[in-house]
Amino acid sequence: RKEVEQDPGPFNVPEGATVAFNCTYSNSASQSFFWYRQDCRKEPKLLMSVYSSGNEDGRFTAQLNRASQYISLLIRDSKLSDSATYLCVVILGGSQGNLIFGKGTKLSVKP
Amino acid sequence: NAGVTQTPKFRVLKTGQSMTLLCAQDMNHEYMYWYRQDPGMGLRLIHYSVGEGTTAKGEVPDGYNVSRLKKQNFLLGLESAAPSQTSVYFCASRDRLAGGFYNEQFFGPGTRLTVL
Repeated sequence: RKEVEQDPGPFNVPEGATVAFNCTYSNSASQSFFWYRQDCRKEPKLLMSVYSSGNEDGRFTAQLNRASQYISLLIRDSKLSDSATYLCVVILGGSQGNLIFGKGTKLSVKP
Repeated sequence: NAGVTQTPKFRVLKTGQSMTLLCAQDMNHEYMYWYRQDPGMGLRLIHYSVGEGTTAKGEVPDGYNVSRLKKQNFLLGLESAAPSQTSVYFCASRDRLAGGFYNEQFFGPGTRLTVL
């Protein structure tokens, strides 16, 4: 089983829609959690960290459920500029802080 | 600050040729990483370094060697390129752990390598 699994997508949504991405991780020793964004043919960039209490950054909300080993990302009021691939990322506790990436979910926001 | 830079941006090799990819960062980061990204596979860690003069194997190290002779540079070598090494290679760096939290990894723009 892959350590980090995501919805394969692609997600095609109209502008203004709300879209949710889900991610599960298999190792209960996972300690830190992130969402990265990767534009086409570009490098990944950190979108937001994910905390147990949940966190929000503008239109973006991230949630973590440690009991279910589940991470989510909610994007409200989608913009054309949100079109990208969203990568779920975890760090195992006791590791060197090495990132373990999911395969990513592609989002395409249409006018 | 340039951040993380990679050279070259593109390269085509023939099977059996060798090459070195250079990663440079100007943020004085301790940790540096080399990843490869293949369609449908996500990013996978090849090698990493936790400081000048140190290197360690990641998830997919076979066929690659690395060196970190200077803190700001991390080199990835392919001694005898194979078609299976056709991929996009990303370098990344981050500062050491601070306050119990892992600092963000910053990525370079990538090197697109094709091995014929």
